[in-house]
Amino acid sequence: DSGVTQTPKHLITATGQRVTLRCSPRSGDLSVYWYQQSLDQGLQFLIQYYNGEERAKGNILERFSAQQFPDLHSELNLSSLELGDSALYFCASSVAGSVFETQYFGPGTRLLVL
Amino acid sequence: DQQVKQNSPSLSVQEGRISILNCDYTNSMFDYFLWYKKYPAEGPTFLISISSIKDKNEDGRFTVFLNKSAKHLSLHIVPSQPGDSAVYFCAVADRGRDDKIIFGKGTRLHILP
Repeated sequence: DSGVTQTPKHLITATGQRVTLRCSPRSGDLSVYWYQQSLDQGLQFLIQYYNGEERAKGNILERFSAQQFPDLHSELNLSSLELGDSALYFCASSVAGSVFETQYFGPGTRLLVL
Repeated sequence: DQQVKQNSPSLSVQEGRISILNCDYTNSMFDYFLWYKKYPAEGPTFLISISSIKDKNEDGRFTVFLNKSAKHLSLHIVPSQPGDSAVYFCAVADRGRDDKIIFGKGTRLHILP
């Protein structure tokens, strides 16, 4: 158990819909990362937050957005969903957000868009 | 365009033998390299890392080798154990640029009894 929790574990929805994925980092970690893993793809970095502020942005679509709240939990919002958005979405956390630090990953949310 | 390539999608190794997982990268500016391991239905877990100032880092049964001129790194597992069966992701970072880590697509390692 990494200490990072993600809800829900599974999500099935239809094209055009909007969903919210939630992540609670490890106690004491200030930085949260979101990754997408599509079929046969590696982990694609989406976005990073540190103590409520966006720190780094990766290959995140404009239809996707995220935020980190004062209690440090984070939400990833996916809107106007398309079939290609079906993937595993991982959240990770680290203490201060440096690449030197170990990132602790949650178990992921599996999203299926029908 | 893939910046990190793990050209072997899968690898099977006999228990007790050495497992060697390979990774190539394209940008010589990358200066920090990591390996993560992932079991089914779990998130990836950090395994080992190496800075570009070194060419080898060892942690128990796991050793990572870095060949900067070839832009190649490898993970050696000796001896391989059944619990090592997992997907292994190579990852790289350019510390001078940002805090992003770029992952490869992974190699699925099967340890055979």
